[in-house]
Amino acid sequence: DTEVTQTPKHLVMGMTNKKSLKCEQHMGHRAMYWYKQKAKKPPELMFVYSYEKLSINESVPSRFSPECPNSSLLNLHLHALQPEDSALYLCASSQVQGPTRGAFFGQGTRLTVV
Amino acid sequence: AQTVTQSQPEMSVQEAETVTLSCTYDTSENNYYLFWYKQPPSRQMILVIRQEAYKQQNATENRFSVNFQKAAKSFSLKISDSQLGDTAMYFCAFMTSRSNYQLIWGAGTKLIIKP
Repeated sequence: DTEVTQTPKHLVMGMTNKKSLKCEQHMGHRAMYWYKQKAKKPPELMFVYSYEKLSINESVPSRFSPECPNSSLLNLHLHALQPEDSALYLCASSQVQGPTRGAFFGQGTRLTVV
Repeated sequence: AQTVTQSQPEMSVQEAETVTLSCTYDTSENNYYLFWYKQPPSRQMILVIRQEAYKQQNATENRFSVNFQKAAKSFSLKISDSQLGDTAMYFCAFMTSRSNYQLIWGAGTKLIIKP
């Protein structure tokens, strides 16, 4: 099983809504990541969790709130987003935060903020 | 600064041809890890191939191979016998201890395989 599963695949939300993105992996990986990707651009790192603890926060606005309930799950809570936050949000995992065989990505959530 | 440069924004080739995507990078580290990722229209980022800088032998994965030139800081991807399913964005990336082992990405190359 080499899958990272993200839900939902698409999300449209208003600027006053609260929503959550979910990510799940069952590969036993201990590092999980959230990336934001704009069209035709490479992914931008947002957060890294290592052994369920927040390891890296790339100065992401507080309207994005990550959560790692256990080693298999990663959530991204969204509140009071702006239209410029519309993007593809990718979750990834790797064995550990360090030199690994590479990160495995989910299919992403296409988020539109209206 | 550690950077990755992909100089070809877009390429197109006929099905069954061989195509090479270029990637150069800049780092002062001696040990690092290089990757090529593929992102088809389905959006999922898929790891294509991986190379450790301390290994001289070029990595291969079926129709995909790399030409790793450490002195030139070059890491090109060769796709042999290209298939329609190879149509995708291809991103070159690397990580070092200095980047806290986070991926540093190139801008990507859009590859179109024509029937």
